[in-house]
Amino acid sequence: DGGITQSPKYLFRKEGQNVTLSCEQNLNHDAMYWYRQDPGQGLRLIYYSQIVNDFQKGDIAEGYSVSREKKESFPLTVTSAQKNPTAFYLCASSIGAGGYYNEQFFGPGTRLTVL
Amino acid sequence: AQSVAQPEDQVNVAEGNPLTVKCTYSVSGNPYLFWYVQYPNRGLQFLLKYITGDNLVKGSYGFEAEFNKSQTSFHLKKPSALVSDSALYFCAVTPPRTGGYNKLIFGAGTRLAVHP
Repeated sequence: DGGITQSPKYLFRKEGQNVTLSCEQNLNHDAMYWYRQDPGQGLRLIYYSQIVNDFQKGDIAEGYSVSREKKESFPLTVTSAQKNPTAFYLCASSIGAGGYYNEQFFGPGTRLTVL
Repeated sequence: AQSVAQPEDQVNVAEGNPLTVKCTYSVSGNPYLFWYVQYPNRGLQFLLKYITGDNLVKGSYGFEAEFNKSQTSFHLKKPSALVSDSALYFCAVTPPRTGGYNKLIFGAGTRLAVHP
């Protein structure tokens, strides 16, 4: 999965809990992304970051938060405000910002289930 | 609204036969087009992309895709399918002028089943 690691592979959350999903890359990529995958809906962008200490909301950012303190790391926190968090979460990275034609490299994913 | 359509939820093909997975897009301007593959409980793997130039793009594992601007399509093809090609395939588009990052718009995915 191209030098991107995500942990844990499976995560179970109780109602009202915040949980944090880890994403680390050793590809020296500037840009990183978080997607949510639900059956039959493709991937939807949650947050993206083009550079350290900067990030932007994607299409479905409500109930999620991120940080980008290091180039290699882009953790995603699923807060209790996210009403339907059960999904497969994918982290990705790509070379630089402004490179519209650069493919994204994906991690293996974290499957989050709300109990 | 900008969108990507994969009109078939599932494609079934016999091993050794040619396969086609369809993709059409609705994006203004000249988009960049991608195909990704996903195996069960795994992340997406990049297969190929169209940026400019020759309309027929060759990618990984013997796959190719043909860009047709007039039909706004980017169908994925392979001359001879393998059972190991069975997976979920995603078409994605990057619209031009996305404000400095490569925003990907994904289709809903097509499940390819190759039967022995």
